Amino acid sequence: SQTIHQWPATLVQPVGSPLSLECTVEGTSNPNLYWYRQAAGRGLQLLFYSVGIGQISSEVPQNLSASRPQDRQFILSSKKLLLSDSGFYLCAWNPMGGLTGEQYFGPGTRLTVT
Amino acid sequence: GDSVTQMEGPVTLSEEAFLTINCTYTATGYPSLFWYVQYPGEGLQLLLKATKADDKGSNKGFEATYRKETTSFHLEKGSVQVSDSAVYFCALIRTYNFNKFYFGSGTKLNVKP
Repeated sequence: SQTIHQWPATLVQPVGSPLSLECTVEGTSNPNLYWYRQAAGRGLQLLFYSVGIGQISSEVPQNLSASRPQDRQFILSSKKLLLSDSGFYLCAWNPMGGLTGEQYFGPGTRLTVT
Repeated sequence: GDSVTQMEGPVTLSEEAFLTINCTYTATGYPSLFWYVQYPGEGLQLLLKATKADDKGSNKGFEATYRKETTSFHLEKGSVQVSDSAVYFCALIRTYNFNKFYFGSGTKLNVKP
């Protein structure tokens, strides 16, 4: 069966520090991968998605970036964190060419920028 | 562009009350519609889905019917439990573009014993 992992689960970082969040999917090949951010009390904002290794689409211009160095690995990064980067970061996947498009979410990373 | 609008929360109900969370959408073509649930501190879980007009999705006592004429996908449950307390998200994806999911802002449900 397919599983999705995210780490770390929680992170507290000072303003201006770098960031690296990792997401890995097991049990599938060639998934579409997604990064979302959920600010406190708000909905989901799609940040990036990827349909293959090295292929990244950005939805929102900001100081974050994403990379997909391997088929089932998706990394969210920042060189310098801002206070506004605090939130709950969710990784998701769905099968390439899936007929119904539903996405499967990881457990999330709670990021607090101080 | 495509979008999903959900009723504002929080919604507070007593146990065994009837639940309705409204969801309407804007999309060209024929989107698939979803309800996701998020329990505190966790990721999102798929609750139910419908892929074409008049389909009814159902799971764990929840149900929602895809109404194309009113562009709606309202979530209902006949008798809520305390364990249903969570945030509920309505979402759509256009059937020809699986790369982009459009989520509503979420509705927080609080069920009191």
